Amino acid sequence: AQSVTQLDSQVPVFEEAPVELRCNYSSSVSVYLFWYVQYPNQGLQLLLKYLSGSTLVKGINGFEAEFNKSQTSFHLRKPSVHISDTAEYFCAANSGGYQKVTFGIGTKLQVIP
Amino acid sequence: DTGVSQNPRHKITKRGQNVTFRCDPISEHNRLYWYRQTLGQGPEFLTYFQNEAQLEKSRLLSDRFSAERPKGSFSTLEIQRTEQGDSAMYLCASSKNQGGSETQYFGPGTRLLVL
Repeated sequence: AQSVTQLDSQVPVFEEAPVELRCNYSSSVSVYLFWYVQYPNQGLQLLLKYLSGSTLVKGINGFEAEFNKSQTSFHLRKPSVHISDTAEYFCAANSGGYQKVTFGIGTKLQVIP
Repeated sequence: DTGVSQNPRHKITKRGQNVTFRCDPISEHNRLYWYRQTLGQGPEFLTYFQNEAQLEKSRLLSDRFSAERPKGSFSTLEIQRTEQGDSAMYLCASSKNQGGSETQYFGPGTRLLVL
């Protein structure tokens, strides 16, 4: 069974500092990877996705992620965070042809002014 | 805005009552999913439809839960005889079948509190 591990439950970071949110996945077949953001009392918004091709994926709001097959990782990064980035971030994965998406437990990003 | 919509956004009910939630997917999307998210956890898959056919159900979906998508458009999720453990955010998502590389788009969720 596929699993997604988010190693940090909470990440505090000062405004304008860089941030990396870590995600590792396990899969024996080809995998599609996603990062979603959830603001308080709202649903999930897609930040970016890796389906194939270039391993560096750029998303909305200045975020990017790098797919690393050898390390089975898909870490999310932003060079300079804003207060408005305070939210919970979920890494997710599904295997090609299998529709269930497996989510990690989420990482709460707290941007400190 | 033509995103996924869910109603109601919030529901408070007493234990033992039945509740029904509605999801309206993005209009051209033929796949629809239900997830449950409890506090401090990521969303967990409950079930999914392709058009009107319910193709997969999670073991999380007990006999008290039933989902329908009668005309392949909107879907309803009903919980009978609610229990306090049913308190959670219920998320709906939709996608368009593109041969394995599709993306699921989520609605705002329905937050259920069972007293």
